[in-house]
Amino acid sequence: GQNIDQPTEMTATEGAIVQINCTYQTSGFNGLFWYQQHAGEAPTFLSYNVLDGLEEKGRFSSFLSRSKGYSYLLLKELQMKDSASYLCAVRDWRNRDDKIIFGKGTRLHILP
Amino acid sequence: NAGVTQTPKFRVLKTGQSMTLLCAQDMNHEYMYWYRQDPGMGLRLIHYSVGEGTTAKGEVPDGYNVSRLKKQNFLLGLESAAPSQTSVYFCASGEQYFGPGTRLTVT
Repeated sequence: GQNIDQPTEMTATEGAIVQINCTYQTSGFNGLFWYQQHAGEAPTFLSYNVLDGLEEKGRFSSFLSRSKGYSYLLLKELQMKDSASYLCAVRDWRNRDDKIIFGKGTRLHILP
Repeated sequence: NAGVTQTPKFRVLKTGQSMTLLCAQDMNHEYMYWYRQDPGMGLRLIHYSVGEGTTAKGEVPDGYNVSRLKKQNFLLGLESAAPSQTSVYFCASGEQYFGPGTRLTVT
């Protein structure tokens, strides 16, 4: 099966940097996604990593290490609007069975 | 270009009633997914489809059925609703696009 772990909650200060970690265990890894979800809304796509390394997109960056089963989402210059849940999801491909499984999400609180 | 739409947005059912949730996409995606989201549980995969005419079970398929007769539509059915199926249901098209969600309450 799959196992995806991320912290339940984190708190950071406006203007600071925060790193949200995600560890996973799966036998058919085929990519890792990060999404942002504001309360009462649908998730929105942030990033996708399939190869090791860092992907940067504006204030957000995502890192992947396949050998360690580890990823992180880095948010810089935090703004109040970044208060949301951040969801880590893994694409698992085995025996022509291709699905995307989510962790439970990390709720990020931004303090002024 | 509407992206991903879900109908209905809200619904209240009595235990034992049936209903169908519709997800429609206009992006020509092969892959479509149905998830449910409950407090503290994250998004859990119910069923998914990798193309027209195909469906597969996810993590929590019991009590649900799906059909993908047309590429643009993915239907989720509850044959006999139970209070444990009270949840927010999200459809996803491809890996990047989610519908707005359906809030279902079963009393």
